Amino acid sequence: DAGVIQSPRHEVTEMGQEVTLRCKPISGHDYLFWYRQTMMRGLELLIYFNNNVPIDDSGMPEDRFSAKMPNASFSTLKIQPSEPRDSAVYFCASRLAGLNTGELFFGEGSRLTVL
Amino acid sequence: RKEVEQDPGPFNVPEGATVAFNCTYSNSASQSFFWYRQDCRKEPKLLMSVYSSGNEDGRFTAQLNRASQYISLLIRDSKLSDSATYLCVVKNNQGGKLIFGQGTELSVKP
Repeated sequence: DAGVIQSPRHEVTEMGQEVTLRCKPISGHDYLFWYRQTMMRGLELLIYFNNNVPIDDSGMPEDRFSAKMPNASFSTLKIQPSEPRDSAVYFCASRLAGLNTGELFFGEGSRLTVL
Repeated sequence: RKEVEQDPGPFNVPEGATVAFNCTYSNSASQSFFWYRQDCRKEPKLLMSVYSSGNEDGRFTAQLNRASQYISLLIRDSKLSDSATYLCVVKNNQGGKLIFGQGTELSVKP
């Protein structure tokens, strides 16, 4: 069974450009999470969805960041305009509700560099 | 104050050593606790859950102290393949949000 799929795996862009990161969760999972990881701040939760509805976006740094989940099999995280401090690895993860295992299944991440 | 705090390390230990990692959490409403492992430039993966009575999985032992809001992970007879970053994770059952600590880096040397 396919895991969480993220694209692109790597992106290098210039400050001011729009960046769109994509995620396909595991089929049947009803929670989807976006995390950002940097050396300084570790793994930070940006936003998460339950059944395609955003539940908590308190981790979204500022208005330049937005996330959508138009259907159960697709989510995007958009940064517009991008800044050098947005450089990080962005992880998408999904899990099934009703299980208390706490097991999140992560994608391989999208490594973003903003010059 | 961060919701989940860990000593970032690095811990450099020889093969065969026993090493312990600690983690504290600030939200007393937290209900579930876990340890994840992250290899260099890879995604995090679940290592084990942490139960109130403590639990063991082979060479790994996890402990929880709710009164002190403290979680630990003990690795016995460490192997070279244990080299990774270990992330403490806390879940507040309201809403299913999982909060990760910054991670503790372990390097096991021959």
